[in-house]
This record gives sequence, structure tokens and C-alpha cells, in this order.
Amino acid sequence: DVKVTQSSRYLVKRTGEKVFLECVQDMDHENMFWYRQDPGLGLRLIYFSYDVKMKEKGDIPEGYSVSREKKERFSLILESASTNQTSMYLCASSLSGTGAGKQYFGPGTRLTVT
Amino acid sequence: KQEVTQIPAALSVPEGENLVLNCSFTDSAIYNLQWFRQDPGKGLTSLLLIQSSQREQTSGRLNASLDKSSGRSTLYIAASQPGDSATYLCAVSDAAGNKLTFGGGTRVLVKP
Repeated sequence: DVKVTQSSRYLVKRTGEKVFLECVQDMDHENMFWYRQDPGLGLRLIYFSYDVKMKEKGDIPEGYSVSREKKERFSLILESASTNQTSMYLCASSLSGTGAGKQYFGPGTRLTVT
Repeated sequence: KQEVTQIPAALSVPEGENLVLNCSFTDSAIYNLQWFRQDPGKGLTSLLLIQSSQREQTSGRLNASLDKSSGRSTLYIAASQPGDSATYLCAVSDAAGNKLTFGGGTRVLVKP
């Protein structure tokens, strides 16, 4: 079974702090994704990566950056956390090519910025 | 821009009834459509994936249909159980099969 893990289930940070959210997958997937989920707004794509050191902006990249130095790890960085970044953050991975599409999700990180 | 809508937003049924969840999307240029389940405070679990060339997929009590030309999919859950209570999300992928666009979800409560 594919396993996607996220570094923290719950995180509380202060406004202005630099925040790192880590995601690791163990199935050699090419694609990795970061989403945030908010009540009434659903899941929205922040960034995705289809290869090591490659990244593309999703629908709401402002205030975020990402890093993918190794195939199995995709990090989401909040350079200066703000209260409007309080949310549930979900990481996912998928194969590309003929196996494209099916995304496997991690358990999520609930981030609170005070 | 792709938009995905799920109706109803919430549904409550007695145990044993069949569930029908609807999903519509605006752009038919999709690679596939997926249905996910999400329990409160948890991540998403993939239930069914339908390729754009397929009409339906089945897994146990779950059956999902896809009508790409009309931009619709339906998830049927037969003989519902209290354990089926969760939020069900529909998502369509772009033509390359990489990015997903999600609907807002349908919150289901199955009463014993």
C-alpha cells in the first residue's frame, strides 16, 4: 500500500514565524501535491511537483513556497506565517504516465497561526 | 477554468437506504474522475477512479458512473450503513492526468 506521511498532525505557530510542513511518500511517485482545505472553500491546490527540483504553482500559491530535493519528499514553506494561513494542509502523491491520476493523500496537518 | 459542483451538500438517510451522490463539472476535457471519502479531521481515501473512456466503476457496494459529455458523475452506495457516514468528495483531473479540481463535497449521515 502507498503510504504518504506528514511530519505533524497538529501545529501551532505565531504570526511571522517561518513554517515548514514536510511530506514523504514511499512509492516512488513522480507527482506530489500540496493542498489546503477550508470550510466552505473545499480543497485548493497550492503547489505541485512532477519531478525532483521541479515545481508549478497551483491555484493559491501566494504566501507559500515549496522544495523538492529528493523524489520522496515535498516540503511546503510558509515564509512568514499569517493568521489567514490557519488551515488543514494535505499532501498527496501520484504516478505519472500510464498510472496517472490516482492520488494518495496523507493524514493532514492542522495548522493554527496565532 | 474547471468548476466542480456536488449536490446535495449534506444528506441524512436511515440505515439500509441506498445513497445517491451527484457531481457535475464544467469542462469535459478530463483524464479521469475520482471519488474520495474523508472522515472528520482526516485525510482523503480514494474510493473509485473512472478513466475518461469508461462509463462506470464498481467496488463492493459502491458504483460510480461517468457521463463525460454532459459533465456528470454519480456515486451510488447500496444498503447504507452507519460506517458510511463521512464526507464524499468528487475530483476531476486535467487532460494530462495530473492536477485535480475538487467539488465541495457531500456530507453524509447514515442513522442507525
